[in-house]
Amino acid sequence: GNSVTQMEGPVTLSEEAFLTINCTYTATGYPSLFWYVQYPGEGLQLLLKATKADDKGSNKGFEATYRKETTSFHLEKGSVQVSDSAVYFCASQGAQKLVFGQGTRLTINP
Amino acid sequence: EPEVTQTPSHQVTQMGQEVILRCVPISNHLYFYWYRQILGQKVEFLVSFYNNEISEKSEIFDDQFSVERPDGSNFTLKIRSTKLEDSAMYFCASTVDSYNEQFFGPGTRLTVL
Repeated sequence: GNSVTQMEGPVTLSEEAFLTINCTYTATGYPSLFWYVQYPGEGLQLLLKATKADDKGSNKGFEATYRKETTSFHLEKGSVQVSDSAVYFCASQGAQKLVFGQGTRLTINP
Repeated sequence: EPEVTQTPSHQVTQMGQEVILRCVPISNHLYFYWYRQILGQKVEFLVSFYNNEISEKSEIFDDQFSVERPDGSNFTLKIRSTKLEDSAMYFCASTVDSYNEQFFGPGTRLTVL
């Protein structure tokens, strides 16, 4: 079955640092890929998505590129802010359900 | 902007009791889902629902669980006899078709004592 693996957390960075959160997937076929964000005490919000190979999803300064060759969908941001502190989930979607990675807790210090 | 809503936001129950978690999906969506997240762990798929029947369910979704769309707007998850290990955040999601992004509700935190 499909699976998603994210880099272990937690990740702590200073404001304005560069962020990378690694995500790799295994799947039959070509799933859509997503990054969801969960702020403290809240539900899941879609951050960005890509539906086919070489697509780049972007939102709020975050980017991720669907790499079929490396089965990866790494999340990047050039300059993080304190308000980016949250848990980030990578997910793949085949025909129906979403399969989530284990989540990466990101803390940004001022 | 339309959104998925869930009630209650927090439910506390005694072990062995029945609970019903309620969700109102986005009105033109046709596919409905329940996921759960045990504290500090990953979000796990429970069940998907389309055309008034379950289309897929996980191993977690055993005979103690059931889903229903009783009136064309609500989508409910029932746990017949709750166990301590059912304590989790339960998320409802909906989408217009099965390959599109799913929209999540804010979740119901279930605490089983």
